[in-house]
Amino acid sequence: QKEVEQDPGPLSVPEGAIVSLNCTYSNSAFQYFMWYRQYSRKGPELLMYTYSSGNKEDGRFTAQVDKSSKYISLFIRDSQPSDSATYLCAMSEETDSWGKLQFGAGTQVVVTP
Amino acid sequence: GAVVSQHPSRVICKSGTSVKIECRSLDFQATTMFWYRQFPKQSLMLMATSNEGSKATYEQGVEKDKFLINHASLTLSTLTVTSAHPEDSSFYICSATWGGTEAFFGQGTRLTVV
Repeated sequence: QKEVEQDPGPLSVPEGAIVSLNCTYSNSAFQYFMWYRQYSRKGPELLMYTYSSGNKEDGRFTAQVDKSSKYISLFIRDSQPSDSATYLCAMSEETDSWGKLQFGAGTQVVVTP
Repeated sequence: GAVVSQHPSRVICKSGTSVKIECRSLDFQATTMFWYRQFPKQSLMLMATSNEGSKATYEQGVEKDKFLINHASLTLSTLTVTSAHPEDSSFYICSATWGGTEAFFGQGTRLTVV
């Protein structure tokens, strides 16, 4: 069983819709939870990170963490075609291990005009 | 954000040869660099962690004699794939961080071994 599970998609939504992404995990020691966006043939770009449980909002993006259920989510409001990319969740056990991350497989998102 | 440059972006090599991939932090000093591998439709898998001036720490299952990592300075880490074989074909990505802050990723290197 993988430590981090993520549906690879693709997830196709019309422009303006809400994109809902999620990951589940098995390691209860994970404390930091990140969402990255990756365009084709590029390196991942950090979108948001949260510590422990709770919600965090940044513009059109909202990240939620439910440690009791080992479940994290990312919501993208008012989606745009430029949001079309692969979204990766990632997690780490320690704050000083930003690079030592466990990634999900990534969900491909397509926002159609 | 900080910039991490990876070179080359694509490389094709013959089976049995060695390939070197460079990862540079352009505007900060990276105390720690990480190397990941990503197969199609799969997640990034951490291969090794390197700290400047010391030997790299490899993840379980990663052959250290095959994937040589050198972190000779605070701005440069190299990954050398020795005696490459077709099964080593993959997308290799580095990330760099300093002092426990956010890790910044390079743009990746697509390696194809023929």
